[in-house]
Amino acid sequence: GAGVSQSPSNKVTEKGKDVELRCDPISGHTALYWYRQRLGQGLEFLIYFQGNSAPDKSGLPSDRFSAERTGESVSTLTIQRTQQEDSAVYLCASSLGGGRSYEQYFGPGTRLTVT
Amino acid sequence: QKEVEQNSGPLSVPEGAIASLNCTYSDRVSQSFFWYRQYSGKSPELIMSIYSNGDKEDGRFTAQLNKASQYVSLLIRDSQPSDSATYLCAVNIANRDDKIIFGKGTRLHILP
Repeated sequence: GAGVSQSPSNKVTEKGKDVELRCDPISGHTALYWYRQRLGQGLEFLIYFQGNSAPDKSGLPSDRFSAERTGESVSTLTIQRTQQEDSAVYLCASSLGGGRSYEQYFGPGTRLTVT
Repeated sequence: QKEVEQNSGPLSVPEGAIASLNCTYSDRVSQSFFWYRQYSGKSPELIMSIYSNGDKEDGRFTAQLNKASQYVSLLIRDSQPSDSATYLCAVNIANRDDKIIFGKGTRLHILP
């Protein structure tokens, strides 16, 4: 079946602009995660959605970052007033969740470059 | 602060030998453990999950878990150049099966 998809695959934006990144989880997966990975660094947790529960936003680095998810489908991560330090690969992952399995499967990522 | 520690490497192993990757974690009550492989420029790929003490084998890969010592390892037998990648260890946060912490990864280089 189809895996996690993300768009765009690459995004170049000017400092100060807003960007929206999209994630389509695996069908049937109720849990969805966003991570950031700076060049040569580890994965940094940003936000987590589980079904209709309130999202876990504990990893969002500033109020410029926000994310939404409609039901158990698509999620968008929005970064407002982008800064050069936001340059990174943004990874989305999904898992079955709901007490069944928490193995996370990743999408290909969106490479964001802020100039 | 929950932590997952890995040696950053690079770990160089001759082709055909056994590669041994280690990971320690700080949360004594963690229950779920995962190994991911990440090729340069690609996203992480789940290769093994383990939940009980002991060994779990899948092809050339064996995951080993020792909860008393709080370490988990990954053995790769008959290492191939295609195994060259960064290997990420991930562990769930206590009482949060749905949330995992990733180590920074160990770079593995298989020497042809």
